[in-house]
Amino acid sequence: GESVGLHLPTLSVQEGDNSIINCAYSNSASDYFIWYKQESGKGPQFIIDIRSNMDKRQGQRVTVLLNKTVKHLSLQIAATQPGDSAVYFCAEKGSSSASKIIFGSGTRLSIRP
Amino acid sequence: NAGVTQTPKFQVLKTGQSMTLQCAQDMNHEYMSWYRQDPGMGLRLIHYSVGAGITDQGEVPNGYNVSRSTTEDFPLRLLSAAPSQTSVYFCASSYSKRTNQPQHFGDGTRLSIL
Repeated sequence: GESVGLHLPTLSVQEGDNSIINCAYSNSASDYFIWYKQESGKGPQFIIDIRSNMDKRQGQRVTVLLNKTVKHLSLQIAATQPGDSAVYFCAEKGSSSASKIIFGSGTRLSIRP
Repeated sequence: NAGVTQTPKFQVLKTGQSMTLQCAQDMNHEYMSWYRQDPGMGLRLIHYSVGAGITDQGEVPNGYNVSRSTTEDFPLRLLSAAPSQTSVYFCASSYSKRTNQPQHFGDGTRLSIL
């Protein structure tokens, strides 16, 4: 079946460096993609989303890149801070109103002081 | 504005017991959903609702029931708890399923079945 997955289950980054979290998706019909951040003991928190008619979208310290040719999604966090430590999920949704959001298994981001 | 509120935060049950996980949102969202989260796995959809009186199954619905009598509330019922249902359960809502919008999540219910 269709699935969303992540290349790296864990990522360790030096404080102040940029972080890049990658995600591969397999449903070429997906047209909406979301990144969530989940801190320990909390529910997922929306970070940024992107629609398939775009290849880049920027937020505050975060950028999402979408490469539809290779079905790849990435989340870039600039100047990583201790508060960025969390598990990050990508999710995708198909184009029909009946399609459901499918979540990847997550990448844990840890910050080295 | 409380967002999505889930109760209880923790629960321990014995095999065969039943219980209801509560979920309420105060954002007047049409779409509500229940997920379970198991170690090393992504969120898996149990049931969802696109409005009051309308519910449908997700990818792992067996052993769970839902109802949506009001826009605000979307309880999840475990009919006869099994150890395989030990998990963290998240409720989420968004304005509409028809438009692509991110979901708002509660902080989860951690459920252990002995």
